[in-house]
Amino acid sequence: AQTVTQSQPEMSVQEAETVTLSCTYDTSESDYYLFWYKQPPSRQMILVIRQEAYKQQNATENRFSVNFQKAAKSFSLKISDSQLGDAAMYFCALTGANSKLTFGKGITLSVRP
Amino acid sequence: GAGVSQTPSNKVTEKGKYVELRCDPISGHTALYWYRQSLGQGPEFLIYFQGTGAADDSGLPNDRFFAVRPEGSVSTLKIQRTERGDSAVYLCASSSLAGGPNEQFFGPGTRLTVL
Repeated sequence: AQTVTQSQPEMSVQEAETVTLSCTYDTSESDYYLFWYKQPPSRQMILVIRQEAYKQQNATENRFSVNFQKAAKSFSLKISDSQLGDAAMYFCALTGANSKLTFGKGITLSVRP
Repeated sequence: GAGVSQTPSNKVTEKGKYVELRCDPISGHTALYWYRQSLGQGPEFLIYFQGTGAADDSGLPNDRFFAVRPEGSVSTLKIQRTERGDSAVYLCASSSLAGGPNEQFFGPGTRLTVL
């Protein structure tokens, strides 16, 4: 079985500052993939960033980067230069060979102008 | 091109009624997924299709839930004898290939409310 834990229900960040969202996971698979999804009020899930477990290098997409600690089973998302449009729910997710995504409970991020 | 679309956007029904939720995946995507998102929770997997066949239906909560994808494109999620606990947002996603890092593209979901 796969589990994803997001223990922080909400966070707030000042515009232009940096914020880190935490995620831990558990899986028995050796080959798996981790994702961060953003869900604005429109409900549409948008992929923010992905990380292949076999890659040691942390993924980066513009202002978004991850800190992947495989031994600790930790996968945090760092958002730099936060913008008002970053305000949303963020979900950490995991998939292995079975294709289905396992999501955490999510975290609500608010951005203060 | 068009993304994943879902209809209706919102559905209100009475306890005991039958409902159908429709998903139109991105053209050419062979894999299609259904998830259910209860209030304040992350989405939970229901069923996954590869082509016309259900490759994994282990997430369907009980036999009141059924899904089809007869021509390998549009999928319908069917719920019989709805219960108040079925109220949730039902999300559909598609991807070009099954498994691994292939991005699943999500639709906007159908919000089902059972009174």
